[in-house]
Amino acid sequence: EAAVTQSPRNKVTVTGGNVTLSCRQTNSHNYMYWYRQDTGHGLRLIHYSYGAGNLQIGDVPDGYKATRTTQEDFFLLLELASPSQTSLYFCASSDYNERLFFGHGTKLSVL
Amino acid sequence: SQLAEENSWALSVHEGESVTVNCSYKTSITALQWYRQKSGKGPAQLILIRSNEREKRNGRLRATLDTSSQSSSLSITATRCEDTAVYFCATLNTGNYKYVFGAGTRLKVIA
Repeated sequence: EAAVTQSPRNKVTVTGGNVTLSCRQTNSHNYMYWYRQDTGHGLRLIHYSYGAGNLQIGDVPDGYKATRTTQEDFFLLLELASPSQTSLYFCASSDYNERLFFGHGTKLSVL
Repeated sequence: SQLAEENSWALSVHEGESVTVNCSYKTSITALQWYRQKSGKGPAQLILIRSNEREKRNGRLRATLDTSSQSSSLSITATRCEDTAVYFCATLNTGNYKYVFGAGTRLKVIA
């Protein structure tokens, strides 16, 4: 079973703060994704990547940067966090088998 | 806009009963996927049904796909308390490898 590990599990920051969410997958999947989950909206795609150094824009990218440093590691950066970014964030990975494997999520609160 | 959406926000059934979750989508697809998310966890894929298939089964789960009406359903028979979860349908754009999720249907199975 594919393993996707996110850290931290919980994060609290203040408005204007700088936050980095980390994701590591250990199955050599090409694709990695960052989603946010909010009540009433389901899972919305922020950014994704198909390999180290690559970044693709998702559907709700405003206020977020992302970087894929290696095949395994994908980071989501909030440089000036706002309360509207309070959410549950999921990282996922996939290969060409059309199946997403998700991490356990990071709960972010921006006060 | 949502490219995939479930048609009910929340359902509740008693243990042992059957339940159906419906989904509609707005784009041409090669496959539709159903995911389940239990409390505190990331979503996990249940069934993938391809556009040339009308029905797919996985144990107590049965998915159907109607490409003419752009709709799908997921039926669960003999429900158990552990089926309590949020159920999502999702589509994959194989051109850019973006997965798009519906808002989800919250299912509660009552003992």
